[in-house]
Amino acid sequence: RKEVEQDPGPFNVPEGATVAFNCTYSNSASQSFFWYRQDCRKEPKLLMSVYSSGNEDGRFTAQLNRASQYISLLIRDSKLSDSATYLCVVSVASSGSARQLTFGSGTQLTVLP
Amino acid sequence: SAVISQKPSRDICQRGTSLTIQCQVDSQVTMMFWYRQQPGQSLTLIATANQGSEATYESGFVIDKFPISRPNLTFSTLTVSNMSPEDSSIYLCSVLDPTGPDTQYFGPGTRLTVL
Repeated sequence: RKEVEQDPGPFNVPEGATVAFNCTYSNSASQSFFWYRQDCRKEPKLLMSVYSSGNEDGRFTAQLNRASQYISLLIRDSKLSDSATYLCVVSVASSGSARQLTFGSGTQLTVLP
Repeated sequence: SAVISQKPSRDICQRGTSLTIQCQVDSQVTMMFWYRQQPGQSLTLIATANQGSEATYESGFVIDKFPISRPNLTFSTLTVSNMSPEDSSIYLCSVLDPTGPDTQYFGPGTRLTVL
């Protein structure tokens, strides 16, 4: 079983639509949770951290359910510029001083005009 | 967030040769990492670059193949040694954000093609 699992998509949605991505993680000791976005041929960029209480940043809402080991990302009023691959990322304890990031394989989103 | 640059941005290399990738950060950072992203796949951590000591490698990655240097708090290099076509990948360095727990920021990546 993969440590971080995502639906690979692709999700093709019209502009203005609401789209939701889901992610599950296997390590119950995971500490921090993130969504990154990666545009084609670019590096991953932090979209938002995910907190247990849920958090919102403009059109983006992230939720974390520790009991179910489940993370979600909701994008409202999709824009063409939201087209990208969305990576679910969790941190786990490592033998070093910093926790490691484990990346999901990503969910591809295309917003259509 | 820190500004991270990598050189080269891309390269095409012959099998059996080695390539050294540089990562420069505009501020001092405690933790730097090297990742690989193979075509169509997500990121895999190669190693943590430790300043002043040997890098910490993940399972499946060894120092002889991927020697890493970290001479100071703003610079690191990753060498891909004795390359084969299977090493064709994007190599990314990242830094740990000192202000946010576990948050990492990534350099633009080095796209390597091995013929």
